[in-house]
Amino acid sequence: KAGVTQTPRYLIKTRGQQVTLSCSPISGHRSVSWYQQTPGQGLQFLFEYFSETQRNKGNFPGRFSGRQFSNSRSEMNVSTLELGDSALYLCASSLGADVDEQFFGPGTRLTVL
Amino acid sequence: AQSVAQPEDQVNVAEGNPLTVKCTYSVSGNPYLFWYVQYPNRGLQFLLKYITGDNLVKGSYGFEAEFNKSQTSFHLKKPSALVSDSALYFCAVRDTGGGNKLTFGTGTQLKVEL
Repeated sequence: KAGVTQTPRYLIKTRGQQVTLSCSPISGHRSVSWYQQTPGQGLQFLFEYFSETQRNKGNFPGRFSGRQFSNSRSEMNVSTLELGDSALYLCASSLGADVDEQFFGPGTRLTVL
Repeated sequence: AQSVAQPEDQVNVAEGNPLTVKCTYSVSGNPYLFWYVQYPNRGLQFLLKYITGDNLVKGSYGFEAEFNKSQTSFHLKKPSALVSDSALYFCAVRDTGGGNKLTFGTGTQLKVEL
């Protein structure tokens, strides 16, 4: 069974631009979560989608948004990029029940110049 | 709000020796606890979880974790460390409000030397 895939793997943008990251969960998984990983802040939860509905949201500004499609694939969007948005963005999928373990993708490394 | 603490930024151990990576938690209600490992330039890999039941949880790659309610700890252990175990280890707790939101610790870098 294929794992979680994220595209692109690497991305370089400049301040003020916007970016869209994509995540394809493991087949059959209905929950997709997004995390931001930085050396200074560690791993921080962005949001979770379950059956196309946002189920949880972290403490990030409105520039960060996401959505989930009917096939469970998810995208996250960051508008008006800032230097501090440079990070590894990780997507995780799970079957959906609250106690299921999450399976992480390799991440998208975003660099904002 | 729930939280986890990993008091050690780095743990060094000789190959073949037992290893322990420490984690303490703070939650209201029953804790759902997880351990993940991250290798360089990779995403996180699930090792094990505690939901309920036995305090000793067995996971992948020979790892296990001991849940201690009185000490609010969930330490990761392995009887005999391998050089290939060298990686970044994260303890996490699931949000008690439902869903799959995880709050992670700051991570512990494990270095296993020959």
